[in-house]
Amino acid sequence: AQSVTQLGSHVSVSEGALVLLRCNYSSSVPPYLFWYVQYPNQGLQLLLKYTSAATLVKGINGFEAEFKKSETSFHLTKPSAHMSDAAEYFCAVILYNNNDMRFGAGTRLTVKP
Amino acid sequence: DAGVTQSPTHLIKTRGQHVTLRCSPISGHKSVSWYQQVLGQGPQFIFQYYEKEERGRGNFPDRFSARQFPNYSSELNVNALLLGDSALYLCASSLRVPSGRVNYGYTFGSGTRLTVV
Repeated sequence: AQSVTQLGSHVSVSEGALVLLRCNYSSSVPPYLFWYVQYPNQGLQLLLKYTSAATLVKGINGFEAEFKKSETSFHLTKPSAHMSDAAEYFCAVILYNNNDMRFGAGTRLTVKP
Repeated sequence: DAGVTQSPTHLIKTRGQHVTLRCSPISGHKSVSWYQQVLGQGPQFIFQYYEKEERGRGNFPDRFSARQFPNYSSELNVNALLLGDSALYLCASSLRVPSGRVNYGYTFGSGTRLTVV
């Protein structure tokens, strides 16, 4: 069973526009949730994480995500896109009864000038 | 402090050969996980090790094996390489609380790019 689903394999926004990358999880018990960014030919860099504290999580580079239990979602947002935000973004989950991290398929963000 | 280090960074192997990939976790981290990332896809979980014991295994064939050493470094071994094994192999280290629950996320290395020809 898919633990985490990212809606939209490719998102394109204009520079300065709102960035919204969608992530939904499938678990009856809220898991730990993470967003990672991957630039070409590099590893994964942690943007932010939800570990059952505040539901609105602020991360690096101006990104934030809101955990919504009713919607089983953890969407990533940024008010104003920058050219340097162009990358692949992955949502990941650690389930309550497990310890390994599982990833979504990723969303490629393109930022147009 | 050094981050997660992986070696080698790039590797080219021939079908049927064997490969060993290495990972050194962040100092103090006792759990190491391995992931395979095929081009254009998300990372797929292969193994998790903690205190030298396998604690999790993904849906990979027995050609894939791993181990963790007393210093918490780890090796991933792949036998009888196939073209489909070409991928970026990522290692991640993490803290692990006494109860067994990892709740601080993982820190990833830059990966080993394996090409099988």
